[in-house]
Amino acid sequence: DAEITQSPRHKITETGRQVTLACHQTWNHNNMFWYRQDLGHGLRLIHYSYGVQDTNKGEVSDGYSVSRSNTEDLPLTLESAASSQTSVYFCASALTRDRQEQYFGPGTRLTVT
Amino acid sequence: AQSVTQLDSQVPVFEEAPVELRCNYSSSVSVYLFWYVQYPNQGLQLLLKYLSGSTLVKGINGFEAEFNKSQTSFHLRKPSVHISDTAEYFCAVSVFTSGTYKYIFGTGTRLKVLA
Repeated sequence: DAEITQSPRHKITETGRQVTLACHQTWNHNNMFWYRQDLGHGLRLIHYSYGVQDTNKGEVSDGYSVSRSNTEDLPLTLESAASSQTSVYFCASALTRDRQEQYFGPGTRLTVT
Repeated sequence: AQSVTQLDSQVPVFEEAPVELRCNYSSSVSVYLFWYVQYPNQGLQLLLKYLSGSTLVKGINGFEAEFNKSQTSFHLRKPSVHISDTAEYFCAVSVFTSGTYKYIFGTGTRLKVLA
């Protein structure tokens, strides 16, 4: 069965370190998204990609970057982790940009100390 | 600007009672509408979606939602809830804006089913 996986599931890091969260999907979807989920804010879009070599900033992109070198993977990098980036991060993919639902990974809980 | 409002952050309800989770959106153009459920320590999964046609949409686990264009609402309902329905529910819209589709999530409603 097709799926979307994230690793690691839990991560503790120190302020100032670079961290990369992995996202891998076997749906063969062109559209991939990264969100962070914080209490009271719901899901906020960090970055998204509509295909290989395409990346776009979402509403909370400062301090984050992504790259898309193939269809299956969209890693999220925190350039210099800050305590404000402590959150649960979700990766998602979708067949189309408009009328199709997004398929979510299980999430990565990141703590920055 | 487009937005999605889930007015209730938490909804407690007794088992076997009916429940309605409210969702309102603001958009002057056509939208596609979705409800997702998130169980503890899991990602979101689709409950149901409205694309076009009948305004009453049936989803998984006995949930249904009604699209009301005049009131710009897409409320989620279940006639009789179970303990296992305890979860967080997110409303989302997909709207065409600035030359592309934008997917917007509400802030979520935490449904707590009481025994």
